[in-house]
Amino acid sequence: DSGVTQTPKHLITATGQRVTLRCSPRSGDLSVYWYQQSLDQGLQFLIQYYNGEERAKGNILERFSAQQFPDLHSELNLSSLELGDSALYFCASSVAGESVEQFFGPGTRLTVL
Amino acid sequence: QKEVEQDPGPLSVPEGAIVSLNCTYSNSAFQYFMWYRQYSRKGPELLMYTYSSGNKEDGRFTAQVDKSSKYISLFIRDSQPSDSATYLCAMSAPTDSWGKLQFGAGTQVVVTP
Repeated sequence: DSGVTQTPKHLITATGQRVTLRCSPRSGDLSVYWYQQSLDQGLQFLIQYYNGEERAKGNILERFSAQQFPDLHSELNLSSLELGDSALYFCASSVAGESVEQFFGPGTRLTVL
Repeated sequence: QKEVEQDPGPLSVPEGAIVSLNCTYSNSAFQYFMWYRQYSRKGPELLMYTYSSGNKEDGRFTAQVDKSSKYISLFIRDSQPSDSATYLCAMSAPTDSWGKLQFGAGTQVVVTP
């Protein structure tokens, strides 16, 4: 157990809908990273927050947004969902603002029907 | 062409054999090189990381980086059935954030008793 929690574990929704994925980092970690893992694209970096501020951005779609709250938990919002958004979404955390030593949560499996 | 290439396998070895995994990359700006292990339906777990070139050993695991060839390797000695998992290489560069990891596709390893 990495100490990173993600809810929900599974999410099934329809095209065009909006969902929110939640992540709580390990105690003491200030950075949160979001990744998407799909069969065709592999594990891809989406976005990083450090102590409430956006720190780095990957190829995150405009339909996706994230934020980190004062208590350091983070939410990833996915809107206007498409079939291709079906994937595993992982959150990771680290102590430092820029760290390669990241601790991953168990993931949220999103299925868009 | 992807920046990080990794053969997806599967790679099947008998228990006790040496597992040899590798990745190639095209971005010469990569400075940190990581190996993550991912069990089925779990989040990735960091095994070890190396900065720049050279070798690093941790128990049964040895990581090697050859920056001149843009090639990294992971060796697992005395493999056990519990080593059966997907192994992902990852890399990062100082361009945006060290924490913005670029992953390979992952190699599925099966260690048979």
